[in-house]
Amino acid sequence: AQKVTQAQTEISVVEKEDVTLDCVYETRDTTYYLFWYKQPPSGELVFLIRRNSFDEQNEISGRYSWNFQKSTSSFNFTITASQVVDSAVYFCALSVLMDSSYKLIFGSGTRLLVRP
Amino acid sequence: DAGVTQSPTHLIKTRGQQVTLRCSPKSGHDTVSWYQQALGQGPQFIFQYYEEEERQRGNFPDRFSGHQFPNYSSELNVNALLLGDSALYLCASSARWGPKSTEAFFGQGTRLTVV
Repeated sequence: AQKVTQAQTEISVVEKEDVTLDCVYETRDTTYYLFWYKQPPSGELVFLIRRNSFDEQNEISGRYSWNFQKSTSSFNFTITASQVVDSAVYFCALSVLMDSSYKLIFGSGTRLLVRP
Repeated sequence: DAGVTQSPTHLIKTRGQQVTLRCSPKSGHDTVSWYQQALGQGPQFIFQYYEEEERQRGNFPDRFSGHQFPNYSSELNVNALLLGDSALYLCASSARWGPKSTEAFFGQGTRLTVV
């Protein structure tokens, strides 16, 4: 079975602090994809990043960075120098091929509050 | 290039009624998936449509049904509404084949309240 666990329900930081959101996944598939989505109060899920199971290189995009470690089945997300606009709910998701198509399995989300 | 659009944005229905939600996929996408997001939880997969057929289904009762049209747009129908059906319903579109087949783009959702 596939599962995504985001143990941190809510995190509160002061602006300019660094913050790491944890994600642990479970799957028996050797080929899979991992995602992070941001959900602002408007409700739309905004795509942040996709990694495939064969690419363990860490990635940095501006203030965002992602650490993918297959050995611990983790795909953590770090925001450097957080800003108030980063306040949102962040979801980690797993995608595997089933019946010739992909579906997303989401974690329960981490609510990030960045205070001025 | 329009992204994924959903209508309506908000809806209030009474228990036992039926509801239809609509989704237009992103240009170039041919696959539509529907997700239900209850308050404080992550989205849960309902089903996926491709070539006007349901291809995958999550753990949802038959009260949830859907349709895809030749222009790839889709509808989600829920019959005999229960209070527990109150949620944000998200539509995601993707391309069935190709290097970006795993990338799903989401609409802003329809917030359904059942009273």
